[in-house]
Amino acid sequence: SQQGEEDPQALSIQEGENATMNCSYKTSINNLQWYRQNSGRGLVHLILIRSNEREKHSGRLRVTLDTSKKSSSLLITASRAADTASYFCATPRYGGSQGNLIFGKGTKLSVKP
Amino acid sequence: NAGVMQNPRHLVRRRGQEARLRCSPMKGHSHVYWYRQLPEEGLKFMVYLQKENIIDESGMPKERFSAEFPKEGPSILRIQQVVRGDSAAYFCASSPATGTGAYEQYFGPGTRLTVT
Repeated sequence: SQQGEEDPQALSIQEGENATMNCSYKTSINNLQWYRQNSGRGLVHLILIRSNEREKHSGRLRVTLDTSKKSSSLLITASRAADTASYFCATPRYGGSQGNLIFGKGTKLSVKP
Repeated sequence: NAGVMQNPRHLVRRRGQEARLRCSPMKGHSHVYWYRQLPEEGLKFMVYLQKENIIDESGMPKERFSAEFPKEGPSILRIQQVVRGDSAAYFCASSPATGTGAYEQYFGPGTRLTVT
């Protein structure tokens, strides 16, 4: 079944370091999204990258998409303690509506001050 | 511009009771989505609605669960005869109709349902 899977499941770094999270999926997509979830809260949309884009930036975030490998990565540069959260990738369900997003289990990022 | 509103934030129900979860989308958004999240898990899609229409309910359990988004008022997710396995966080999201086939979804804070 189609599923975004994040890797690693957990990541612990020091403030100021870069954090890289990866996402793999199984079927063709026309876009991929990254979301952040702070503990006990709703999700916050970070970036949407379309299948004809290879890289996208937003502030300290950089997302890449490799459709040939069916993978995406999220890089957070110069991390801060406030970046501590779970990060999820989401893709539209193949054959379903564009609003039907499939989320992976997430990468739990801990940034130590 | 207020974000997506959900209420109640916490709901406790005994087995067999009904649970009603409400979601008011962001102003100007006509699409609403409901997801369920179990502890340490990602979100699972349940249903996608537009005003007075169910667009995609492929993630909804066949029994006891229903959703609506009336012309006026919030979207409602209704769970009848709740069981312990229904205990989870239920998130609502909304999006505008972008027409591009790609939808950024804006999430509410969630309703945490506990069935005792």
